[in-house]
Amino acid sequence: EDQVTQSPEALRLQEGESSSLNCSYTVSGLRGLFWYRQDPGKGPEFLFTLYSAGEEKEKERLKATLTKKESFLHITAPKPEDSATYLCAVRRGAGGSYIPTFGRGTSLIVHP
Amino acid sequence: DTEVTQTPKHLVMGMTNKKSLKCEQHMGHRAMYWYKQKAKKPPELMFVYSYEKLSINESVPSRFSPECPNSSLLNLHLHALQPEDSALYLCASSQVGRGPHTEAFFGQGTRLTVV
Repeated sequence: EDQVTQSPEALRLQEGESSSLNCSYTVSGLRGLFWYRQDPGKGPEFLFTLYSAGEEKEKERLKATLTKKESFLHITAPKPEDSATYLCAVRRGAGGSYIPTFGRGTSLIVHP
Repeated sequence: DTEVTQTPKHLVMGMTNKKSLKCEQHMGHRAMYWYKQKAKKPPELMFVYSYEKLSINESVPSRFSPECPNSSLLNLHLHALQPEDSALYLCASSQVGRGPHTEAFFGQGTRLTVV
């Protein structure tokens, strides 16, 4: 069974304090790992897709990386507006469906 | 344009009411999804339509009835709901297949309260 585990469950940072969120996965035939940002009461906002180990994507203060077992979302010098829940999802490949399986998310709070 | 539009944004309904949630996208996506999300939990898949045909039903109670009238529209008909069905209902769309560029884009959701 596909498993997606995100850690930590919650993270509090001071503005400017860089850190990383982790998404570890077990899935046969990975066909994409996705990162989303979700604000309270809103729908998830797509951030990145990663397909193969070693791949990296960047957007403003966020950088996502992928290995064969996990992905990291690095947040450099975060600002209070980066506060949100960050969701990781993986999608199976051969023999499976294309439906993403979500982790439980990391709730990030950045204090000014 | 990566916009998925959901209406209404908020809905309060009684347990005997019938209502519908609507979702629209104009990205040419041929897969559309309904998810249910409770507070502090990840989105939970309910239904998937692929090329306007229902391809996945995650054992959802029959009081939820999906409909895909065309490739841009997705509805969720609600009837005789229970208070525990109160949640954020999310619509998403994506390209079909297992190749690249098949990430799902989500709407802003409908906050449903059943009283």
